[in-house]
Amino acid sequence: GENVEQHPSTLSVQEGDSAVIKCTYSDSASNYFPWYKQELGKGPQLIIDIRSNVGEKKDQRIAVTLNKTAKHFSLHITETQPEDSAVYFCAATTSGGSYIPTFGRGTSLIVHP
Amino acid sequence: EPEVTQTPSHQVTQMGQEVILRCVPISNHLYFYWYRQILGQKVEFLVSFYNNEISEKSEIFDDQFSVERPDGSNFTLKIRSTKLEDSAMYFCASSESSGRAEQYFGPGTRLTVT
Repeated sequence: GENVEQHPSTLSVQEGDSAVIKCTYSDSASNYFPWYKQELGKGPQLIIDIRSNVGEKKDQRIAVTLNKTAKHFSLHITETQPEDSAVYFCAATTSGGSYIPTFGRGTSLIVHP
Repeated sequence: EPEVTQTPSHQVTQMGQEVILRCVPISNHLYFYWYRQILGQKVEFLVSFYNNEISEKSEIFDDQFSVERPDGSNFTLKIRSTKLEDSAMYFCASSESSGRAEQYFGPGTRLTVT
């Protein structure tokens, strides 16, 4: 089955800096890659996703890149703000099933004011 | 904005006891899911449910687990005889359709088995 590795486990940045979280996946059949943000006491919330026919997608301060050849994808947050502090999960889904995501272990992002 | 709700937020139970975790998915959604997250570990898929039956389940979802949609709004996860290793955060999610549609997650129920 699919295996998703995520790094780093913890990321501490100063407000205004950029943050990058990286994930790799194992199943070349995976073709949908969502990113979730989980704030304390809440469930994961989808913040951005990318499909395998696209190399990059951007939504305001958040961008995701995908390299299918290398089987890795990354989340980029620019101009970080304290409210970006949360746990971020990447996930990958395969095309043969019902798109149940396989999650990475999560990255705890801390943005210091 | 519609949201998925879960009750209780925290459940403490003794080993061997049955527990029922409850979820109210978003009202017009058709697909329902349960996930769990053991402390410090990945979010893991348990089961998906559509049209009053299980559509997919993981290896974790063994005979001790069952799901039900007893009425038009609730979606429940039952653990028949809890074990210590069942201690985790359990998330319910729902989506309008399967596949690549966004899944909306509830806030979770923290289950502690003593």
